[in-house]
Amino acid sequence: NAGVTQTPKFQVLKTGQSMTLQCAQDMNHNSMYWYRQDPGMGLRLIYYSASEGTTDKGEVPNGYNVSRLNKREFSLRLESAAPSQTSVYFCASSKSDYSNQPQHFGDGTRLSIL
Amino acid sequence: LAKTTQPISMDSYEGQEVNITCSHNNIATNDYITWYQQFPSQGPRFIIQGYKTKVTNEVASLFIPADRKSSTLSLPRVSLSDTAVYYCLVGDNFNKFYFGSGTKLNVKP
Repeated sequence: NAGVTQTPKFQVLKTGQSMTLQCAQDMNHNSMYWYRQDPGMGLRLIYYSASEGTTDKGEVPNGYNVSRLNKREFSLRLESAAPSQTSVYFCASSKSDYSNQPQHFGDGTRLSIL
Repeated sequence: LAKTTQPISMDSYEGQEVNITCSHNNIATNDYITWYQQFPSQGPRFIIQGYKTKVTNEVASLFIPADRKSSTLSLPRVSLSDTAVYYCLVGDNFNKFYFGSGTKLNVKP
């Protein structure tokens, strides 16, 4: 079982460029999440999708858009990258978005914006 | 919003029991408390979850007092491989999850 797979693992962008981070899960989970983690800090929720066809903002949604392509896939798009978006991005999934359902995380995408 | 507060760091020695406490004063009635472990360059990994009283699994115990405004993760007999960041997670009323700042545990030989 692959679990949660994120692509790419590393990326360097120039300010103003756009990019889509991909996430796929093979656990038949209903809920998916995108987080960012800045150096030495905890994870902050960007967007989440409680179920296929729904998305909602988290703590830090500005500058990002998401698409729940199907039950397996949840992408994160940066339309015009800024240096402040340099971070490690984690995707996660869970059976549902109730707090008694643990989240399963991918290994992250390390994004640098120059 | 059910945000959490944890110590920034803790030191321990191999073989000792380690207790990490998390404060969550605004926890909602239906919220569970979940702890994750994170190693460098990896995503967080689920350790244990509970609602009230005590929960134990093969790697840790979780103690939750009656008022549920805090919780304590207990790691028995830690080893060097337990050196990691530990996060306390509480869901809020809108099912948006907020990670605490995390506790960096350093286990020394």
